[in-house]
Amino acid sequence: GNSVTQMEGPVTLSEEAFLTINCTYTATGYPSLFWYVQYPGEGLQLLLKATKADDKGSNKGFEATYRKETTSFHLEKGSVQVSDSAVYFCALSSYGGATNKLIFGTGTLLAVQP
Amino acid sequence: DAGVIQSPRHEVTEMGQEVTLRCKPISGHNSLFWYRQTMMRGLELLIYFNNNVPIDDSGMPEDRFSAKMPNASFSTLKIQPSEPRDSAVYFCASRLTNTGELFFGEGSRLTVL
Repeated sequence: GNSVTQMEGPVTLSEEAFLTINCTYTATGYPSLFWYVQYPGEGLQLLLKATKADDKGSNKGFEATYRKETTSFHLEKGSVQVSDSAVYFCALSSYGGATNKLIFGTGTLLAVQP
Repeated sequence: DAGVIQSPRHEVTEMGQEVTLRCKPISGHNSLFWYRQTMMRGLELLIYFNNNVPIDDSGMPEDRFSAKMPNASFSTLKIQPSEPRDSAVYFCASRLTNTGELFFGEGSRLTVL
């Protein structure tokens, strides 16, 4: 079945360091891919998305490119800030019937130190 | 505009008690999802509705769990009887279209003693 695998955390970085959080997926067909972020005590919110191969999603300095050949959607940011500390979830949309559902990875905790 | 509204935000109860979690989706959204989040299992999809109709409840753990959506603006997730292993944060999320962004509520943190 469809699934998402992302690197385990926590990832601890110093401010202004480069961030990569790996995400790979298994899916039939052509899913859309997403990164969601969860700040402490809050629900998840969409960070970026890509709907087809080679698309690049970007938002708030974060980027991820939909790589069909490697079935990956790695999240990157050139210079992290303390305010980026959160849990990041990779997800894919799984089509079935009249609607589709999002399948999430296990989440990666990012801690950025000043 | 109001987002997805969940209540209660926190619930502490004793094993065997009935628990009811409530969700009001964003007005106009036609899909609603219930997720459970735990440290051990991450984020699990329990059930989702499309136009108030349950589409897939394969994630519901067992018969103690039930969910309803009597109208487009309200859904409940009920656990009866509750057990300590049900302790988790339960999220409700809604979506406008089949491929649109999923909007999450702030969650209901359930502790079963």
